[in-house]
Amino acid sequence: KNQVEQSPQSLIILEGKNCTLQCNYTVSPFSNLRWYKQDTGRGPVSLTIMTFSENTKSNGRYTATLDADTKQSSLHITASQLSDSASYICVVSTNYGGATNKLIFGTGTLLAVQP
Amino acid sequence: EAGVTQFPSHSVIEKGQTVTLRCDPISGHDNLYWYRRVMGKEIKFLLHFVKESKQDESGMPNNRFLAERTGGTYSTLKVQPAELEDSGVYFCASSVLGGRANTGELFFGEGSRLTVL
Repeated sequence: KNQVEQSPQSLIILEGKNCTLQCNYTVSPFSNLRWYKQDTGRGPVSLTIMTFSENTKSNGRYTATLDADTKQSSLHITASQLSDSASYICVVSTNYGGATNKLIFGTGTLLAVQP
Repeated sequence: EAGVTQFPSHSVIEKGQTVTLRCDPISGHDNLYWYRRVMGKEIKFLLHFVKESKQDESGMPNNRFLAERTGGTYSTLKVQPAELEDSGVYFCASSVLGGRANTGELFFGEGSRLTVL
């Protein structure tokens, strides 16, 4: 069964600190892995997209890693800011033919950054 | 440039009533997707349009749900008759067609929250 599991479910950190969110997946065939940030009451916004051959990708203070062998990914947030408070969702794309992709979503990690 | 817009942002209806959600994708995006998130669960795929054609509707829960995209522009998702378990947030997303489609960035709307009483 195609599944994406994230940990921890929720996390509280102090402003300025770093944190790492985890994602494990059992999705086949694998096309790519995405991290999204979803603010309360808003739609998900893409942070990174990584294909099979990419081990790491950065977007500002966000750095995602991918280990396709162990089917694990992480999202590292550096020098957290209050605006980083949001749900972070790991999404794995499986290609079911041609140019079409189906996205399998994790339940997200709810991050709260406190002053 | 306008993003993906969804209407209404929140709808409260009674069981048995009908609701129609609308999504306006980013102009020029041929791919249009509908997703749903029910309380406490992950976002799940409902269906995928390429222009006006349904590419994949395998995620539609049952025949009470009807999606259309006439003319390949905006899309509607109708729930008739609504049941309690249909409550959730319905997201629409769009992306361009072609190119490196496998890594095509998906742009999400802010969602339509449906509450069925």
